[in-house]
Amino acid sequence: DSGVTQTPKHLITATGQRVTLRCSPRSGDLSVYWYQQSLDQGLQFLIQYYNGEERAKGNILERFSAQQFPDLHSELNLSSLELGDSALYFCASSPTPGSTEAFFGQGTRLTVV
Amino acid sequence: GENVEQHPSTLSVQEGDSAVIKCTYSDSASNYFPWYKQELGKGPQLIIDIRSNVGEKKDQRIAVTLNKTAKHFSLHITETQPEDSAVYFCAAIFSGGGADGLTFGKGTHLIIQP
Repeated sequence: DSGVTQTPKHLITATGQRVTLRCSPRSGDLSVYWYQQSLDQGLQFLIQYYNGEERAKGNILERFSAQQFPDLHSELNLSSLELGDSALYFCASSPTPGSTEAFFGQGTRLTVV
Repeated sequence: GENVEQHPSTLSVQEGDSAVIKCTYSDSASNYFPWYKQELGKGPQLIIDIRSNVGEKKDQRIAVTLNKTAKHFSLHITETQPEDSAVYFCAAIFSGGGADGLTFGKGTHLIIQP
């Protein structure tokens, strides 16, 4: 167990809908990362937050957004969902932005139908 | 940006034999290279890592080598066991105190044949 908790584990929704994925980092970790894993694109970095502030953006679509709350949990919001958004979404955490070790949660499997 | 290539995509070895997975990276500024193991239904788990000031690192049956000049690094697993069956990902990042995410290879599905 990495100590990173993600909910829900599975999510099925229709095209055009909006969903929210939740992540609780390891105790003491201030930095949260979101990654998307799909068969064709592999594991791709989406966005990073540190202590409530956005620190870096990767290949995140404009329809997607995230935030980190004062208690350090993070949410990834996906809107206007398309079939191609079906993927595994992982959250990872590390103590600081410059920390090299990142610990991953078990992921949320999103299926858009 | 960084680009990481990983080979092979699938590797089948007999139990007890060795397995080698290779990765190349494009950004010479990258200085941290972790390897993750992902089992079915689970998130990636860090198994070993190496920094650019080190050429080789070993942890029991697992070792990683880094060639900065050629910009490639490899994972070596000796005396493979059935529980080594999983998907393995290499990654690279410049950890200079800034903020960024890992760039991952596409993964290698390692199959240990009994």
